[in-house]
Amino acid sequence: EVQLVESGGGLVQPGGSLRLSCAASGFTFSSHRMHWVRQGPGKGLVWVSRISGDGSDTGYADSVKGRFTISRDNAKNTLYLQMRSLRAEDTAVYYCTRTGGGFDYWGQGTLVTVSS
Amino acid sequence: QSALTQPRSVSGSPGQSVAISCTGTSSDVGGYNYVSWYRQHPGKAPKLMIYDVNKRPSGVPDRFSGSKSGNTASLTISGLQAEDEADYYCCSYAGTYTVFGGGTKLTVL
Repeated sequence: EVQLVESGGGLVQPGGSLRLSCAASGFTFSSHRMHWVRQGPGKGLVWVSRISGDGSDTGYADSVKGRFTISRDNAKNTLYLQMRSLRAEDTAVYYCTRTGGGFDYWGQGTLVTVSS
Repeated sequence: QSALTQPRSVSGSPGQSVAISCTGTSSDVGGYNYVSWYRQHPGKAPKLMIYDVNKRPSGVPDRFSGSKSGNTASLTISGLQAEDEADYYCCSYAGTYTVFGGGTKLTVL
């Protein structure tokens, strides 16, 4: 059974940093491009970042470029999102999801709250 | 990286059909056959309903269908059921990035 489990969310002050993790199981992790998608309170889904199966190719939404870094450890079957210079507008539930013909599996999400 | 345009809300009675549109540009919806649709119930993670414009994942009923014409994609739900009441999001590959629509709230009357 495919499972994606996010962790690392929490309350952080503006300007602070946080690292999210997504533990994957039930599939060959290195064979799939992975993404982070976020959803602000009461708002829609917003794509954040992607990384190729081998980690060599990454992409970012303009709103996070230069502040967020996506990475993966295929030996640990884990996806990461390093977030720096956090702003109030980064407050959201962050989902990890895999590409397998659309975003076919999603985690349950982890809440990041940026507030003083 | 502008969001795709969806109607804010649609509604229909049980058994009826509804269609949700998703309008983008030639750089996203019109440029690739990689449009997908997601259903999200309150407090839950999104669920893939359609991918690659018109393909249904295993387990998704054939009441759900997708299509595309030019820069506009559509999701059609036939035989509406109470469980279909949810938010629906379209999504398109756009080369260097991916973009979602703003979401459509489907109300089953």
